[in-house]
Amino acid sequence: DTGVSQDPRHKITKRGQNVTFRCDPISEHNRLYWYRQTLGQGPEFLTYFQNEAQLEKSRLLSDRFSAERPKGSFSTLEIQRTEQGDSAMYLCASSLGPREGINEKLFFGSGTQLSVL
Amino acid sequence: AQKVTQAQTEISVVEKEDVTLDCVYETRDTTYYLFWYKQPPSGELVFLIRRNSFDEQNEISGRYSWNFQKSTSSFNFTITASQVVDSAVYFCALSGTSYDKVIFGPGTSLSVIP
Repeated sequence: DTGVSQDPRHKITKRGQNVTFRCDPISEHNRLYWYRQTLGQGPEFLTYFQNEAQLEKSRLLSDRFSAERPKGSFSTLEIQRTEQGDSAMYLCASSLGPREGINEKLFFGSGTQLSVL
Repeated sequence: AQKVTQAQTEISVVEKEDVTLDCVYETRDTTYYLFWYKQPPSGELVFLIRRNSFDEQNEISGRYSWNFQKSTSSFNFTITASQVVDSAVYFCALSGTSYDKVIFGPGTSLSVIP
């Protein structure tokens, strides 16, 4: 069990550029979540997958954000035409899906810190 | 609406003092789950505990204890005899049967001073 890994750890980009982040969940986990965290705030939900299906996307999420999880393994989060307000830590988490109605705990990666200049 | 409130933004204590972190939640679900996560300076969120809404027994794990009170919609976290290594941001979180995603509170930053 190597944990949840995210790549890159840091990304600096210019406003208007596109960026893509990758998340590799724990192998047997069928759920994968993306959160965004800004300084002094709690993680804010962006979207989540059950296997390859994207089950929910936050209404706060701009159309510039898109996420995929092909084959239900790793996931990518793409931000198009980045804006300075997109600067944040992007966190990925994985978990086993609910078992017997019990929501399982999340395992988090170290995050990707995005800075938009 | 589902919401988690952590009224204490920052707490500072001297080592060996006890400290309680408050968490108040709102949900319309009758079945829900409460969590505490720790985020040390290194940044990675670490799971501490999960509680379901039908289990109001308090739990103790070493120096950590949790007090779940449904009547006041609170799930407070106490660290006994705090240590410098307890310095971190602590998040209370909530999920329920009508919304699988985990909703986090704003966090409480705890500083334990030697």
